[in-house]
Amino acid sequence: DAGVIQSPRHEVTEMGQEVTLRCKPISGHNSLFWYRQTMMRGLELLIYFNNNVPIDDSGMPEDRFSAKMPNASFSTLKIQPSEPRDSAVYFCASSLGIINSPLHFGNGTRLTVT
Amino acid sequence: AQKITQTQPGMFVQEKEAVTLDCTYDTSDPSYGLFWYKQPSSGEMIFLIYQGSYDQQNATEGRYSLNFQKARKSANLVISASQLGDSAMYFCAMSSTGNQFYFGTGTSLTVIP
Repeated sequence: DAGVIQSPRHEVTEMGQEVTLRCKPISGHNSLFWYRQTMMRGLELLIYFNNNVPIDDSGMPEDRFSAKMPNASFSTLKIQPSEPRDSAVYFCASSLGIINSPLHFGNGTRLTVT
Repeated sequence: AQKITQTQPGMFVQEKEAVTLDCTYDTSDPSYGLFWYKQPSSGEMIFLIYQGSYDQQNATEGRYSLNFQKARKSANLVISASQLGDSAMYFCAMSSTGNQFYFGTGTSLTVIP
């Protein structure tokens, strides 16, 4: 079991550029979550999917953020255009989608927007 | 509304001593799960322990145990025989209907040699 795989591990980009973060959940997991973590705001849920369908995207900050899950083994989080306040660690996590199933987190992507 | 509260921003414990990290939750769902995660300075989120709302016994995993008091809606994490490697951020979380997860704000634990 390779765990949740996120790429890239680090991303440095200039304000206004498009950023795409990628996630491969654990095989067999049918729920996928995107979180953002900052010192100021802590761990924030951005969006989560069940069976590739977005269930709750109320945490997505604004229209600059979009997420897709085209199949069970891949998801992307896109920021276009990026702004310095988007700098954070972005985590992807997956689970079996039942109450007693823990979230398994990827190692995160540290995004810096200059 | 679902909510997780961790009231201890920071805690200190002497090496080899036990420490309790507090967590209270609020939910009207009869079925829910409670989890604890550890986030060391390297940044990864590590699942530690799980307690189900219908479980009669407190969960244990090695040096970790979860003190589950359903009537008080608390799910405190107890770490026994603290080690230097236990220094980290600890998050309490709850899952409920709809597979939504709710996280607390975390407690920073420092183990003193």
